[in-house]
Amino acid sequence: GAGVSQSPSNKVTEKGKDVELRCDPISGHTALYWYRQSLGQGLEFLIYFQGNSAPDKSGLPSDRFSAERTGGSVSTLTIQRTQQEDSAVYLCASSLALGLAGGRQYFGPGTRLTVT
Amino acid sequence: SQQGEEDPQALSIQEGENATMNCSYKTSINNLQWYRQNSGRGLVHLILIRSNEREKHSGRLRVTLDTSKKSSSLLITASRAADTASYFCATDASGGSNYKLTFGKGTLLTVNP
Repeated sequence: GAGVSQSPSNKVTEKGKDVELRCDPISGHTALYWYRQSLGQGLEFLIYFQGNSAPDKSGLPSDRFSAERTGGSVSTLTIQRTQQEDSAVYLCASSLALGLAGGRQYFGPGTRLTVT
Repeated sequence: SQQGEEDPQALSIQEGENATMNCSYKTSINNLQWYRQNSGRGLVHLILIRSNEREKHSGRLRVTLDTSKKSSSLLITASRAADTASYFCATDASGGSNYKLTFGKGTLLTVNP
């Protein structure tokens, strides 16, 4: 079946503009995760959703970052007033259930964001 | 150092040789996973080992876990040029935050033909 998809695959934006990144999880996966990977770095956890709710937003780097998930499916990560340090690859993952008891996390191909 | 730190940072070997990568972590975990990433994009899950397991095999992959030392190793046997990628270990902390995967910075493996 189809895996996790993300769009756009690449996004170049000017500093100060807002961007929206989209994630389509695997059908039936209730848990969805966003990670950020800066150049040459490991992945940094941003936020997770169980269904439509996001109980833990502590990983979001600043209040310019927000995320939502509607209908227990598609999720959007929004970055307002982008800064150059926001340049990174943003990866989305989904899993059957929260945590790893329900299975591994399946990752999408990522969105490469470049802020000029 | 970060939870889930891999070493070496970079490894270059010849095709046919074995590649060993190590990972150390700090807190108690439920599971440890290894992922592979090509060209800085999506991650591919390789193998998951639970905290009560000591060794696991999958094809040419062998993973060990030593919870007393808080360390894991990934062995790729008979490497191929196509194994060239970055390899990350990821841990989930036992307890309430087990939904979070904490990744290290990875090992960049280059397999020369």
